[in-house]
Amino acid sequence: GQSLEQPSEVTAVEGAIVQINCTYQTSGFYGLSWYQQHDGGAPTFLSYNALDGLEETGRFSSFLSRSDSYGYLLLQELQMKDSASYFCAVSSGNTGKLIFGQGTTLQVKP
Amino acid sequence: KAGVTQTPRYLIKTRGQQVTLSCSPISGHRSVSWYQQTPGQGLQFLFEYFSETQRNKGNFPGRFSGRQFSNSRSEMNVSTLELGDSALYLCASSATDISPSEQYFGPGTRLTVT
Repeated sequence: GQSLEQPSEVTAVEGAIVQINCTYQTSGFYGLSWYQQHDGGAPTFLSYNALDGLEETGRFSSFLSRSDSYGYLLLQELQMKDSASYFCAVSSGNTGKLIFGQGTTLQVKP
Repeated sequence: KAGVTQTPRYLIKTRGQQVTLSCSPISGHRSVSWYQQTPGQGLQFLFEYFSETQRNKGNFPGRFSGRQFSNSRSEMNVSTLELGDSALYLCASSATDISPSEQYFGPGTRLTVT
């Protein structure tokens, strides 16, 4: 089976840095993705890691350690618009099947 | 490019009925995946279609089915609806041969079963 764990809620202030962790247990692992979803909206792709290390995309970075079955999403210079749910998702092959974590609700306060 | 479109956006059905949802992927994307989103269970994978073939299937009963057409448009069908099928149904497309995990989601169909 496959399971992913991430914190249910995180709160931070504008301008701060926040890290959202994700640990996974899967029968096969190909890569770890991160998605953002605002209330009432559709998930949008943020980043993808297939190899160990850090991937940086603007204010967002994502890290993966395959040996630890662990990854995180790092959000810097938080803005109010970053308030949303963030999901990690595992792919076990080079296909479009993603298994999602339960999501982390990030609240950014002024 | 136009994004992923889903129709209808909202649907109300009664128990026992069946429903068909439609998804048009981004032009050039051949993979379409379907997900069910509920407050209790989160985002759950239903199935993936690639080049008109079901390539992956999640842990849902046989009442949930789908298909993909030659133009990559996809439909999913739920028969004998149950109250627990009330959810947001999302489809996502990706250019599988490049980056299958980079999926583009449609706005979803909100299904309410009464």
